[in-house]
Amino acid sequence: AQSVTQLGSHVSVSEGALVLLRCNYSSSVPPYLFWYVQYPNQGLQLLLKYTSAATLVKGINGFEAEFKKSETSFHLTKPSAHMSDAAEYFCAVTDYSSASKIIFGSGTRLSIRP
Amino acid sequence: DAGVIQSPRHEVTEMGQEVTLRCKPISGHDYLFWYRQTMMRGLELLIYFNNNVPIDDSGMPEDRFSAKMPNASFSTLKIQPSEPRDSAVYFCASSRPGQGDTEAFFGQGTRLTVV
Repeated sequence: AQSVTQLGSHVSVSEGALVLLRCNYSSSVPPYLFWYVQYPNQGLQLLLKYTSAATLVKGINGFEAEFKKSETSFHLTKPSAHMSDAAEYFCAVTDYSSASKIIFGSGTRLSIRP
Repeated sequence: DAGVIQSPRHEVTEMGQEVTLRCKPISGHDYLFWYRQTMMRGLELLIYFNNNVPIDDSGMPEDRFSAKMPNASFSTLKIQPSEPRDSAVYFCASSRPGQGDTEAFFGQGTRLTVV
């Protein structure tokens, strides 16, 4: 069975600092991996996705993530945090065989300090 | 396309009443998902459909929950009878992995409160 684990339910960084949100996955077959963002009272919006092409994936709002098979990780980073980045972030996984059963991690709330 | 459309956005009902949540997926998408989000349990996959057929309903919490997809443009999630512990935000999402849209596109959600 597939799963993702997000380390840290809450991360707080200063404005302008590096953002690092951690995600580790478990999958018996090559995975598709996603990062979503959720702002208060809204649905989930895709930030970026990995689909077996380039291992370094660039997304919207300056975010990027690197797929590391040896570490089974897909951590999300942004060089410089903005106040507008404060939100909940979810890592998710699906695989080629099940085609589209998408399983989400427990989420990480990102807070930005002025 | 207008995206995934859910209705209502908010629903307040009394315990024991029937609740029906509605979803219109993105046109051309052949997968549809229902998720439930709570503080305690996070984002849970309840059920998903492929070409209107339920594929996996193992996440449906109990028999009080049922979901249907009578056609490619409409799905419902019904709770009968509703209980206070069903209070949550329910999301509908759709995708079309066969055409490269491997990710799920989410609606705005329905916030359900059972009192």
